[in-house]
Amino acid sequence: ETGVTQTPRHLVMGMTNKKSLKCEQHLGHNAMYWYKQSAKKPLELMFVYNFKEQTENNSVPSRFSPECPNSSHLFLHLHTLQPEDSALYLCASSQGQAGNTIYFGEGSWLTVV
Amino acid sequence: RKEVEQDPGPFNVPEGATVAFNCTYSNSASQSFFWYRQDCRKEPKLLMSVYSSGNEDGRFTAQLNRASQYISLLIRDSKLSDSATYLCVVNRGVDDMRFGAGTRLTVKP
Repeated sequence: ETGVTQTPRHLVMGMTNKKSLKCEQHLGHNAMYWYKQSAKKPLELMFVYNFKEQTENNSVPSRFSPECPNSSHLFLHLHTLQPEDSALYLCASSQGQAGNTIYFGEGSWLTVV
Repeated sequence: RKEVEQDPGPFNVPEGATVAFNCTYSNSASQSFFWYRQDCRKEPKLLMSVYSSGNEDGRFTAQLNRASQYISLLIRDSKLSDSATYLCVVNRGVDDMRFGAGTRLTVKP
């Protein structure tokens, strides 16, 4: 069983919908991440939170809005998405120090129609 | 130039073969290095860290050459279960992990 859990695992939404992805880590880590993985592209880092503070926003469009209420939970709020936003969204966590490995959740498959 | 570049693949090898993957990175200040494995439609999972002195884990051997900014992964005696995409990962510092696009390996009977 993974230490990082994501819900929902699959989501289909229209371009005018508002939905949220949820991530929870049970590893006692201090940092949490959102990555996007599109077909045949490298993982793209979207957002990083370290001790609940956002430390990285990798030029992500404002239609993606992260929220980190505490070190164990991370949300990605979605609104007015585009079909090209369809991808696998991966949450991850780490101890938040250089050299630490990161552990991924199983991902949320998003399809925008 | 991409931050992390890998062999494009795909690699199709018979069981028992030895296969090697290469990876180069562009940022000389990178601090730590990893290989991750990703099965089809699954999340990436840590395979092994990569150290300057080289390290081995069973059939897997990883090497790092900081001067050439080059990382490698060698798999000996390939198994069917080794079929996956292998991701080269470079950590440039806190909160800054960069992934390669991955190299796909298929091991055939």
